[in-house]
Amino acid sequence: EVQLVESGGGLVQPGGSLRLSCAASGFTVSSNYMSWVRQAPGKGLEWVSVIYSGGSTYYADSVKGRFTISRDNSKNTLYLQMNSLRAEDTAVYYCARDNNYYGHGYFDYWGQGTLVTVSS
Amino acid sequence: DIQMTQSPSSLSASVGDRVTITCRASQSISSYLNWYQQKPGKAPKLLIYAASSLQSGVPSRFSGSGSGTDFTLTISSLQPEDFATYYCQQSYTTFTFGPGTKVDIK
Repeated sequence: EVQLVESGGGLVQPGGSLRLSCAASGFTVSSNYMSWVRQAPGKGLEWVSVIYSGGSTYYADSVKGRFTISRDNSKNTLYLQMNSLRAEDTAVYYCARDNNYYGHGYFDYWGQGTLVTVSS
Repeated sequence: DIQMTQSPSSLSASVGDRVTITCRASQSISSYLNWYQQKPGKAPKLLIYAASSLQSGVPSRFSGSGSGTDFTLTISSLQPEDFATYYCQQSYTTFTFGPGTKVDIK
């Protein structure tokens, strides 16, 4: 059974850092594309970042230069390192498996989400 | 960047109603369009991928159509468990979600 479990969220001051983890089971993270998606309180979904199976990474403009996506193949875990955090980064952060159907990417499995609150 | 819009932003419907939600992309995205359902406090759930392919396990009352810039999600007969917010997502270049359409009970 495929499962994604996020952790690492919490309260952090503006300018601070936090690292989110997403532990996967039932499939191999390194063989798949993996994304982070966030949702500010009461707002819609915002794609944040993707890491491809080959290791290429891409980011939304809103987090470029501040966030880093990575993975640990030995732990089958995805990470999101978040630096220089701002109030507008406050959101529930989801990890998701980015499946691919003849080039059509879609998120077929999601974690339960972890809340990040940036506030003084 | 590709922008996504959805209409309506919200709608009220009754059980058994046929519901249609529209999604529009700011440029052609071929059929690189997905639909998700989200209930309060829960992660989104994939309904439709590649514009019209039904995800495994999703009831057949959900269907998707369209290509290029205009897409629709149709629920043929609304069920009580379908009251939720629906998002479209383009995957033509990285990803962008639409703003969502909230479906609530009339």
